[in-house]
Amino acid sequence: GAGVSQSPSNKVTEKGKDVELRCDPISGHTALYWYRQSLGQGLEFLIYFQGNSAPDKSGLPSDRFSAERTGGSVSTLTIQRTQQEDSAVYLCASSKGGSSYEQYFGPGTRLTVT
Amino acid sequence: GENVEQHPSTLSVQEGDSAVIKCTYSDSASNYFPWYKQELGKRPQLIIDIRSNVGEKKDQRIAVTLNKTAKHFSLHITETQPEDSAVYFCAATDTGGFKTIFGAGTRLFVKA
Repeated sequence: GAGVSQSPSNKVTEKGKDVELRCDPISGHTALYWYRQSLGQGLEFLIYFQGNSAPDKSGLPSDRFSAERTGGSVSTLTIQRTQQEDSAVYLCASSKGGSSYEQYFGPGTRLTVT
Repeated sequence: GENVEQHPSTLSVQEGDSAVIKCTYSDSASNYFPWYKQELGKRPQLIIDIRSNVGEKKDQRIAVTLNKTAKHFSLHITETQPEDSAVYFCAATDTGGFKTIFGAGTRLFVKA
């Protein structure tokens, strides 16, 4: 079946603009995760959803970052008033939930803030 | 919150040798420890995982060990091959299996 998909694959934006990044999880996966990976660095946990609920938002870097998930499926990560330090690859992952913890990653969105 | 440290940051081995990557975690409540492999320009992929009620798990040339008391876990790759060259990440996940904190990664080079 189809894996996790993300759009756009690449996004170049000017400093100060808002951007929306989209994630389509694997069908039937109840858990969804967002990570940020700066060039040559590890994965920074941002937020997870269990269904449409995000119990822990402490990983979001600032109040310019927000995320939502609707219908237990698609999720959107929004970055307002982008800064150059927001430039990174934003990865989304999903898992079945329950006792199944394996996360399947999407291809990522490469965000460049100029 | 959880903190995961990973060593070494870079590891170079000769083809056929073994490679060992070590991680420590801080939150004793963490109960799931996956390892991901990320090739250049690609997405991370799970290669092996272990739960806190198990001390060791093996899958062909890859094995993971967990010492809950010391809060250490390690990845062992035997008979390394050039295609094993990649960045490897360890991670620790909380009780619910959701919040996942990754180590900084180990860049493994396998020389032919």
